[in-house]
Amino acid sequence: EAGVAQSPRYKIIEKRQSVAFWCNPISGHATLYWYQQILGQGPKLLIQFQNNGVVDDSQLPKDRFSAERLKGVDSTLKIQPAKLEDSAVYLCASSAGLNQPQHFGDGTRLSIL
Amino acid sequence: DAKTTQPPSMDCAEGRAANLPCNHSTISGNEYVYWYRQIHSQGPQYIIHGLKNNETNEMASLIITEDRKSSTLILPHATLRDTAVYYCIVRERSNDYKLSFGAGTTVTVRA
Repeated sequence: EAGVAQSPRYKIIEKRQSVAFWCNPISGHATLYWYQQILGQGPKLLIQFQNNGVVDDSQLPKDRFSAERLKGVDSTLKIQPAKLEDSAVYLCASSAGLNQPQHFGDGTRLSIL
Repeated sequence: DAKTTQPPSMDCAEGRAANLPCNHSTISGNEYVYWYRQIHSQGPQYIIHGLKNNETNEMASLIITEDRKSSTLILPHATLRDTAVYYCIVRERSNDYKLSFGAGTTVTVRA
């Protein structure tokens, strides 16, 4: 089966600019996650969707980050405006259910200048 | 907040078995132990998970102690491509089964 697809693979922007990341989960997976991974650390959950509804966004900095999953399939994560501290890899994962293995994409590496 | 303790790093020889330990002394009866690994510049890859019984798949074996306070991931014949950060994670039902990644163990397989 096809894995989780993410784009772009790399993105470089200046601080205060906006950026968007796209994720296409594994077909049929109802649960979708966005993680942030800062260099040298493990991934940290930002937001979790069940179909097109938000299950948990408690760790999402809502003043600058937003995410949506229209139609319960693809998802986009947006940062506006970006700060230097947002430099990280943004990972998308999906699973067939809450207590099923999560499968990750290879992420988008974001660099803020 | 990770509920697991792993050594920060370990080396192993190519072709030999790699045994990766993990302590999870506060695990509850209905919580699963999951293992993921992350190869450089890739996303985390699911390896295996278990509740009480030992588990084996094409990638690895998972040995869970009878008291469930620790476990060992075994890579039977390590190759250079197994060099990665390995994460041991307890998925908590009380936390909606979220994955909480700690620092993991950096495993280096040497020729």
